[in-house]
Amino acid sequence: AQSVTQLGSHVSVSEGALVLLRCNYSSSVPPYLFWYVQYPNQGLQLLLKYTSAATLVKGINGFEAEFKKSETSFHLTKPSAHMSDAAEYFCAVSKGSARQLTFGSGTQLTVLP
Amino acid sequence: DSGVTQTPKHLITATGQRVTLRCSPRSGDLSVYWYQQSLDQGLQFLIQYYNGEERAKGNILERFSAQQFPDLHSELNLSSLELGDSALYFCASSVSESSGNTIYFGEGSWLTVV
Repeated sequence: AQSVTQLGSHVSVSEGALVLLRCNYSSSVPPYLFWYVQYPNQGLQLLLKYTSAATLVKGINGFEAEFKKSETSFHLTKPSAHMSDAAEYFCAVSKGSARQLTFGSGTQLTVLP
Repeated sequence: DSGVTQTPKHLITATGQRVTLRCSPRSGDLSVYWYQQSLDQGLQFLIQYYNGEERAKGNILERFSAQQFPDLHSELNLSSLELGDSALYFCASSVSESSGNTIYFGEGSWLTVV
């Protein structure tokens, strides 16, 4: 079975600092992995996705993630945090006959001035 | 704007009642997914339809049902509501069922059961 684990339910960084949100997956085959962001009182917005084309995936708003098979990881990074990045971030894997998404528990990112 | 439209945005109802949540997928998308987001359960997959047919079920209660109509819009019916059903219900859509397809989410319907 495929699942994802997000380490750290809350992460705080200073404005301008590196953002690192961790996601590990468990899968016996190469997965399709996604990062979504949820701003307060809004829906889920796709940041980026990995579909086996390139291991370093660039997304919107300056975010990127690197697929590391040896570490079964798909961590999300951004070189310099902005106040507007404060939100909840979800890692997800596509699984099942209908390719529905299975989500991690989410990481709440706080950006400190 | 993802292109997925959900109504109503907010709904307050009493225990034991029944409600219907409506979803219009993105233009051209054949696949519709329903998710429930709650504080204790996180984001849970409920059910998926593809071109009118049910294709996968997740953690959907027997009190809940859904359907997708010929015009591809979908409805999620929640009956005999309990306090624990209070949650944010998302509809999402994608073009097909292929792995790696982007799934686009609506802004959700907030359900409060009192």
